[in-house]
Amino acid sequence: KQEVTQIPAALSVPEGENLVLNCSFTDSAIYNLQWFRQDPGKGLTSLLLIQSSQREQTSGRLNASLDKSSGRSTLYIAASQPGDSATYLCAVSETSGSRLTFGEGTQLTVNP
Amino acid sequence: NAGVTQTPKFRILKIGQSMTLQCTQDMNHNYMYWYRQDPGMGLKLIYYSVGAGITDKGEVPNGYNVSRSTTEDFPLRLELAAPSQTSVYFCASSYSGRAFFGQGTRLTVV
Repeated sequence: KQEVTQIPAALSVPEGENLVLNCSFTDSAIYNLQWFRQDPGKGLTSLLLIQSSQREQTSGRLNASLDKSSGRSTLYIAASQPGDSATYLCAVSETSGSRLTFGEGTQLTVNP
Repeated sequence: NAGVTQTPKFRILKIGQSMTLQCTQDMNHNYMYWYRQDPGMGLKLIYYSVGAGITDKGEVPNGYNVSRSTTEDFPLRLELAAPSQTSVYFCASSYSGRAFFGQGTRLTVV
């Protein structure tokens, strides 16, 4: 059974800092990995999707990497801003239409 | 482009009552899902569907039922509400492995 773990559970940083969120998964036979953002009381917004054949994806100040063989992904946020404060969730899928298995999330607070 | 739409946004139920959480998507996606999220936890899959007329159980299906008569709609039914079903419910659809989520339904059972 696939299990996804995110470390740390919570993170508080000053504005402007670069930071890394970690995600690990137990079964390396994944189809893709997604990073989501969730604001309080809201739904999930997809940030980055990495296919199993890819090593990384970038969108603006966000960069996600994938090391499938070691079962790890990182989300790098450059020059953090207070607007980045949210919960970040990673999820893996095993086929193109299969369910996502989620980690419990990292709650990020960026202080002005 | 509406994406995935869930109704209602909030609901309070008494123990033993029934209700249907509505979910509709306008992206013509075959795959649809229902998840629940408990405080401080990740999302757990309740039911999913790979197309109209086909549904299957996820990790936590007990106490729920679904139907998928059209590609667009995937309602979730609670027959006898219990306090353990207090949660936030998310509907999602996917295409080529990319998932799109609704805004959620916050359900409280008292």
